Amino acid sequence: AQSVTQLGSHVSVSEGALVLLRCNYSSSVPPYLFWYVQYPNQGLQLLLKYTSAATLVKGINDFEAEFKKSETSFHLTKPSAHMSDAAEYFCAVRSMDSNYQLIWGAGTKLIIKP
Amino acid sequence: DGGITQSPKYLFRKEGQNVTLSCEQNLNHDAMYWYRQDPGQGLRLIYYSQIVNDFQKGDIAEGYSVSREKKESFPLTVTSAQKNPTAFYLCASWAAPYSNQPQHFGDGTRLSIL
Repeated sequence: AQSVTQLGSHVSVSEGALVLLRCNYSSSVPPYLFWYVQYPNQGLQLLLKYTSAATLVKGINDFEAEFKKSETSFHLTKPSAHMSDAAEYFCAVRSMDSNYQLIWGAGTKLIIKP
Repeated sequence: DGGITQSPKYLFRKEGQNVTLSCEQNLNHDAMYWYRQDPGQGLRLIYYSQIVNDFQKGDIAEGYSVSREKKESFPLTVTSAQKNPTAFYLCASWAAPYSNQPQHFGDGTRLSIL
């Protein structure tokens, strides 16, 4: 069965430091991949998506992700963390078994230290 | 602006009571979804609907029921059979599950037991 693994339920970085949130997926065909952000008591908001047009995908708020087929990874990065980036981040891949479902990672809570 | 409206934002359930969570979308999306979110467990699929008058069980459908009488509306009923209903419930819609288009989310309903 397909799966999405997000390494680290919590990641803590200092303000101004590099943010790296990891996502590995299992898929036998080129996947559709997504990163979402969730602020407390809110719904999920799309950060970026992999379209197969480019391996480096730019999203909102200076986030970007790189698709690496050989590593089956789609890690999310941001060069300089802001306090406002504190939130939970979810990686998802479209299911190959059911075209109407997404497979979700467990989420990573990003903590920003002042 | 198009979007998804969930109501109420907070809901309290008494023992043995059924409660209904509302989800309305004006995005003209065919597919709609209900997810349950518990701390540290990511998103779990309760029910989804690909088209009006049709819906399918997700991974944790027991104790829940849905209807899809209109394209815009997908209400979720939490029945008294759901013994642990306290959670954050998210509704989503999807325009084109066969493509790389993302799911869109409402702002959620937080359900608690009185």
